[in-house]
Amino acid sequence: DAGVIQSPRHEVTEMGQEVTLRCKPISGHNSLFWYRQTMMRGLELLIYFNNNVPIDDSGMPEDRFSAKMPNASFSTLKIQPSEPRDSAVYFCASKVEGAQPQHFGDGTRLSIL
Amino acid sequence: KQEVTQIPAALSVPEGENLVLNCSFTDSAIYNLQWFRQDPGKGLTSLLLIQSSQREQTSGRLNASLDKSSGRSTLYIAASQPGDSATYLCAALNAGNMLTFGGGTRLMVKP
Repeated sequence: DAGVIQSPRHEVTEMGQEVTLRCKPISGHNSLFWYRQTMMRGLELLIYFNNNVPIDDSGMPEDRFSAKMPNASFSTLKIQPSEPRDSAVYFCASKVEGAQPQHFGDGTRLSIL
Repeated sequence: KQEVTQIPAALSVPEGENLVLNCSFTDSAIYNLQWFRQDPGKGLTSLLLIQSSQREQTSGRLNASLDKSSGRSTLYIAASQPGDSATYLCAALNAGNMLTFGGGTRLMVKP
């Protein structure tokens, strides 16, 4: 079975550019999570969706960040405009209903110059 | 707000040793406690999940225990191997479907 698929794996762009990260959850999973991992702050939850509906976005750092889930098989995390402090590894994870394990993608390593 | 702490932050042991990784959490109202492994440049792989009603879970050489009342969990690795070298993270699941992660323990097993 395919796991959680994230693209791109690496992104290097200049400050001020728009960045779009993509995630395809595991088929049949109805919860999707976006995380950010940095050396300083560890792994932080940004936002999560349940049945394509955003449930908690309290972790989204500021208005420059936005996330969408137009259908059960696709989600995007957008940063506009990007800043150097947004450099991090961004992970997407999905799970089925209930207290079940989350399954993580391999992440997108983002560098903003 | 849940806070999860892992000690030690880094650990280096010779191959074959049994070892214990520690995880503590401040809010005992958890649904479950999960242990993950992260290899460099990779995502997280779920190792063990202990439901709040359980005391421990085992998978091969791994055993995880949970003591909700004291806010602690341990991951025991028996007969460590160089392939066990990775970062191990614990995470507590609270209401609202939100996982709070510890900072991780970076394990190096030397041949």
